[in-house]
Amino acid sequence: NAGVTQTPKFRILKIGQSMTLQCTQDMNHNYMYWYRQDPGMGLKLIYYSVGAGITDKGEVPNGYNVSRSTTEDFPLRLELAAPSQTSVYFCASSYGPGKVDGYTFGSGTRLTVV
Amino acid sequence: AQKVTQAQTEISVVEKEDVTLDCVYETRDTTYYLFWYKQPPSGELVFLIRRNSFDEQNEISGRYSWNFQKSTSSFNFTITASQVVDSAVYFCARPMNRDDKIIFGKGTRLHILP
Repeated sequence: NAGVTQTPKFRILKIGQSMTLQCTQDMNHNYMYWYRQDPGMGLKLIYYSVGAGITDKGEVPNGYNVSRSTTEDFPLRLELAAPSQTSVYFCASSYGPGKVDGYTFGSGTRLTVV
Repeated sequence: AQKVTQAQTEISVVEKEDVTLDCVYETRDTTYYLFWYKQPPSGELVFLIRRNSFDEQNEISGRYSWNFQKSTSSFNFTITASQVVDSAVYFCARPMNRDDKIIFGKGTRLHILP
């Protein structure tokens, strides 16, 4: 079982460029989440999804977009990258609500915007 | 404010010492789960434990133990006979009020010195 797979692992973007962070899970989990981790700041929720076709904003959605066309995939799109988006991004999933099941995390994507 | 407080930002102990990581949470839910995650230097987030608020018995898993006290809203984590491989950032997490997601504390960075 691969679990939650994130690609790429590392990426350097120039200011104003766009990119998509990929997240795929093979556990048939309904719930999926995107977090960013800034040094010393814990994890902040960007977007989440409770099932295919349904997405909603978290704490820090500005500058990002998501889609959930299938149960397995939950890509995160960065439009017009800014230095403030330099962070480590984690995708997570859970079968039921995360508050009950807890999350399974991907290995993260380290993004630097220069 | 919805909080998970990990007051210890960074702890250093010598190998084989015992160490306790503190977690204090706030919640308006009457029943809930609490979580601990480990983030080793390699960066991934590893699930350690999920605890139901109904069960206040201490839980032990090898060198790890958890002390949950509902009366003080604390869910502390103790590592007995610490090892260098325990060096990591440890996150405590609790559910968001009236929501499906969990929120994380800012983490405690633990250094186990040889």
